[in-house]
Amino acid sequence: GAVVSQHPSRVICKSGTSVKIECRSLDFQATTMFWYRQFPKQSLMLMATSNEGSKATYEQGVEKDKFLINHASLTLSTLTVTSAHPEDSSFYICSAPRTGKLSSYNEQFFGPGTRLTVL
Amino acid sequence: KQEVTQIPAALSVPEGENLVLNCSFTDSAIYNLQWFRQDPGKGLTSLLLIQSSQREQTSGRLNASLDKSSGRSTLYIAASQPGDSATYLCAVTNTGNQFYFGTGTSLTVIP
Repeated sequence: GAVVSQHPSRVICKSGTSVKIECRSLDFQATTMFWYRQFPKQSLMLMATSNEGSKATYEQGVEKDKFLINHASLTLSTLTVTSAHPEDSSFYICSAPRTGKLSSYNEQFFGPGTRLTVL
Repeated sequence: KQEVTQIPAALSVPEGENLVLNCSFTDSAIYNLQWFRQDPGKGLTSLLLIQSSQREQTSGRLNASLDKSSGRSTLYIAASQPGDSATYLCAVTNTGNQFYFGTGTSLTVIP
């Protein structure tokens, strides 16, 4: 089956630093990828849609200048948390749809997630 | 905006019981619905995917149904096992493939 990887799986950083998280589709190309955030004991919330070759689109309430997204290629999207603060500590998960044989059917594949802890 | 709700929020059952998890969504114009399992501190494991034109999907002891017009889906787990203990999430997609996740049901199967 299709695989989506994330790196790193876990990161601890000091407040004020920037952290980059990578999301890769390993065996298929993805022109679109999605970034989610999950706080403890809560469900996943969509943060933004990453589009290859164009700007990302952000959900309401998500600061685009704080969460920089770059879709560098058809298999890689990066999320950079700039000037991280303790309240940014969360579980970040990406997903990528793979187009199926049916003309309009896409199955989403999720990465394993990245645990960010900001001290 | 699509809102997805799951009931119950938590469920505890003895091993061997059959159980049903419920998911409801406010906008019936979905593209597909997917059930996931999440273990503590881990990512998502896809369990079943139901396309909007389908009524149900089965995989082993799992059966998921979809009633798109009423905005509901159920996940049936037969003969529950302690290893089934996890949080179960349902999510719906619109045509843009963005997922809207439910609040999750935390399942504990007691040996």
